[in-house]
Amino acid sequence: NAGVTQTPKFQVLKTGQSMTLQCAQDMNHNSMYWYRQDPGMGLRLIYYSASEGTTDKGEVPNGYNVSRLNKREFSLRLESAAPSQTSVYFCASTPDVNTEAFFGQGTRLTVV
Amino acid sequence: GEDVEQSLFLSVREGDSSVINCTYTDSSSTYLYWYKQEPGAGLQLLTYIFSNMDMKQDQRLTVLLNKKDKHLSLRIADTQTGDSAIYFCAETLSGYALNFGKGTSLLVTP
Repeated sequence: NAGVTQTPKFQVLKTGQSMTLQCAQDMNHNSMYWYRQDPGMGLRLIYYSASEGTTDKGEVPNGYNVSRLNKREFSLRLESAAPSQTSVYFCASTPDVNTEAFFGQGTRLTVV
Repeated sequence: GEDVEQSLFLSVREGDSSVINCTYTDSSSTYLYWYKQEPGAGLQLLTYIFSNMDMKQDQRLTVLLNKKDKHLSLRIADTQTGDSAIYFCAETLSGYALNFGKGTSLLVTP
């Protein structure tokens, strides 16, 4: 039971570098999400994809882009990393709206 | 979005009951959730309650919902050291995503 798989688990970037965080789910879920978790801030929604072919901004989208490559995969791209983007990033998926979210194990990103 | 409020820290003795409180924002939320996060791990759904219920019991867990006050609580009976974790309250946001509280760190001491 893979569930939601995120890669990489850890990453260190220099300011200005770019990278893509990968997320894949094998549960045939329609909706996928990217959150970031910062100490004392809880989880904040970056972007979400309600269904294949659609993406929408969440609470904190600035500095990020996303691609819903197909039903399984939802990637998050940092075009020019900044220290403020140091965080733990979680991908999640739900069968449909208003239903239980399944989370990946997270990607710990440090931007120096 | 608006803030889902939770107390940040709770410490209890092993064997006692723990009560974690949450105030949510959206009275139209269909479901309200409790998630558990252990160190270095993702969030795992612990339990949820449908908005037309006022109580749900699941083994050692009891969820109480007061819709009038938009207050949700999670009671863990006979708390064990393995229950030490961060607990997040969450409501549905705009019908698509979950709006999380900042999390309550539960420490269970022997």
